[in-house]
Amino acid sequence: AQSVTQLGSHVSVSEGALVLLRCNYSSSVPPYLFWYVQYPNQGLQLLLKYTSAATLVKGINGFEAEFKKSETSFHLTKPSAHMSDAAEYFCAVSPNYGGATNKLIFGTGTLLAVQP
Amino acid sequence: GAGVSQSPRYKVAKRGQDVALRCDPISGHVSLFWYQQALGQGPEFLTYFQNEAQLDKSGLPSDRFFAERPEGSVSTLKIQRTQQEDSAVYLCASSLGQGKSGANVLTFGAGSRLTVL
Repeated sequence: AQSVTQLGSHVSVSEGALVLLRCNYSSSVPPYLFWYVQYPNQGLQLLLKYTSAATLVKGINGFEAEFKKSETSFHLTKPSAHMSDAAEYFCAVSPNYGGATNKLIFGTGTLLAVQP
Repeated sequence: GAGVSQSPRYKVAKRGQDVALRCDPISGHVSLFWYQQALGQGPEFLTYFQNEAQLDKSGLPSDRFFAERPEGSVSTLKIQRTQQEDSAVYLCASSLGQGKSGANVLTFGAGSRLTVL
């Protein structure tokens, strides 16, 4: 079964500092991978997705993630944090094989706090 | 509509009551998903529709949970005889694709927050 693990339920950074949110996946074949962001009382918004094209994926709001098969990782980064980045971030995996429902399987989330 | 619309946004129910949660997906989206998000947790898959057909209901936690999408557009998630453990945010998502490609992007609604007293 596919799954994702997000290390660190809470991450705090200073404004302007590097943001690094960790995600490791478990899958017998390279899956599709996603990062979603959730602001309070709102639904999830797609930040970026990996679909087996380029391993370095650029998303919205200056975020990017790199797919590393050898490490089974898909960490999310942003060079310089902004106060508006404070939110909860979810990594998700979707199967990449014929006949599978493309339901997303989510990690438990990482709450990002940005300190002034 | 422009996005996925869910109603009600907030629902308080007494234990044992039945509730119905509605989802209006993006017009033309074939696939529709329901997720349950408990406090402090990631969303967990409940069920999936392709048009009006419910193709996967493996995530429904008990037979008290029932979902339908009779005309392949609006969907309703019904919870019978609600229990306190049903308290969660119920998220609906839709996508354009047929469901066979994992690359299809899901667009989520804002959710319906259910509190069972």
